[in-house]
Amino acid sequence: EVQLVESGGGLVQPGGSLRLSCAASGFTFSSYWMSWVRQAPGKGLEWVANIKQDGSEKYYVDSVKGRFTISRDNAKNSLYLQMNSLRAEDTAVYYCASPTTGCSSTSCPNRYWGQGTLVTVSS
Amino acid sequence: SYVLTQPPSVSVAPGKTARITCGGNNIGSKSVHWYQQKPGQAPVLVIYYDSDRPSGIPERFSGSNSGNTATLTISRVEAGDEADYYCQVWDSSSDHRGVVFGGGTKLTVL
Repeated sequence: EVQLVESGGGLVQPGGSLRLSCAASGFTFSSYWMSWVRQAPGKGLEWVANIKQDGSEKYYVDSVKGRFTISRDNAKNSLYLQMNSLRAEDTAVYYCASPTTGCSSTSCPNRYWGQGTLVTVSS
Repeated sequence: SYVLTQPPSVSVAPGKTARITCGGNNIGSKSVHWYQQKPGQAPVLVIYYDSDRPSGIPERFSGSNSGNTATLTISRVEAGDEADYYCQVWDSSSDHRGVVFGGGTKLTVL
């Protein structure tokens, strides 16, 4: 059974930093692109970033470029999101997501999702 | 950057058919995925690659994609289908490469 478990969320002041983690199990983590998707309170889904199997390619939504860094540790089956210079508009539930089994490209659908971790940026 | 446009809300009576559209420039040339999200829950994939259904998703859910519009169709709508629905594509343009979600459509079962 595929499981994705996010952690690391919490309350942080504007300008602060936070590192989110996603522990993956039940599939060959190193074979798949992985994504972070967020949802601000009462708003829709917003893709944040994704990372290639070996970490050699990374893509970000424009609003987080230069502030957020996605990374992964295939030996630990873990995905990370380092968030710096946080702003109030970064307040959201952050989901880790993985594609359908056997799909290994950027256009794959996100079949599996974690339960999300809440990040609140406020003074 | 690529924009996906969804109607904010769709209402349908139980047993009827709901159609939720997702508009985008030449979206028919892209692969469209659809997600269902109920309050307080993570999204669930209901249609992928325009018209495929993951295991466990009822046959009442179907999808199509042509020209500038992709459509999620829910037949014989049930109260449990009430949720937010999002379309999604991968934008491969060189300057804004990434995942794009539509703004979401709230499906209300009357």
